[in-house]
Amino acid sequence: DGGITQSPKYLFRKEGQNVTLSCEQNLNHDAMYWYRQDPGQGLRLIYYSQIVNDFQKGDIAEGYSVSREKKESFPLTVTSAQKNPTAFYLCASRDIFTEAFFGQGTRLTVV
Amino acid sequence: DQQVKQNSPSLSVQEGRISILNCDYTNSMFDYFLWYKKYPAEGPTFLISISSIKDKNEDGRFTVFLNKSAKHLSLHIVPSQPGDSAVYFCAASSTGANNLFFGTGTRLTVIP
Repeated sequence: DGGITQSPKYLFRKEGQNVTLSCEQNLNHDAMYWYRQDPGQGLRLIYYSQIVNDFQKGDIAEGYSVSREKKESFPLTVTSAQKNPTAFYLCASRDIFTEAFFGQGTRLTVV
Repeated sequence: DQQVKQNSPSLSVQEGRISILNCDYTNSMFDYFLWYKKYPAEGPTFLISISSIKDKNEDGRFTVFLNKSAKHLSLHIVPSQPGDSAVYFCAASSTGANNLFFGTGTRLTVIP
């Protein structure tokens, strides 16, 4: 059953702590993306990767880091440098000229 | 700078009537456009797409229209059903660039 899986669904972070959000896909897609959604706002691109071992910053990359060591996996680390990390995080994957498939999201809350 | 814009944050429609959601873009290099539907606390799901070589694409109750000269696309839902109530995002991309730009979304409410 092909798809894209994000974990965990809910995540709580203390001030000054780094946390990593997982994203795995078995769709054999080359490109993967991380978006952030805030209440009442659209999807803002954090990072994207078109191939293994390569990734580019999106519009709001500050305070985030990613890696792409395997085609199937694109984890996102929210570092302590991200001053307002509470949001809903969405991972997606696609091939060129196809639709992007999204995971179910991770809600991150700073406590 | 927002390259894809949805200027109506919300829309209410009676059940059975037509819903028209609008989207504008600024980048003339965009040649592939998509509409997504999103429920709260879930990932967006793909609805329908259109490439720039077409001006209309239809799939059941959903039709997307593209006006390249106006840099405008619209999603028509006919007839609207209560289950269509959700936030709708339009998105755009260009050939050779794997990036996908999203609008800010329109919340559709279909009133029974």
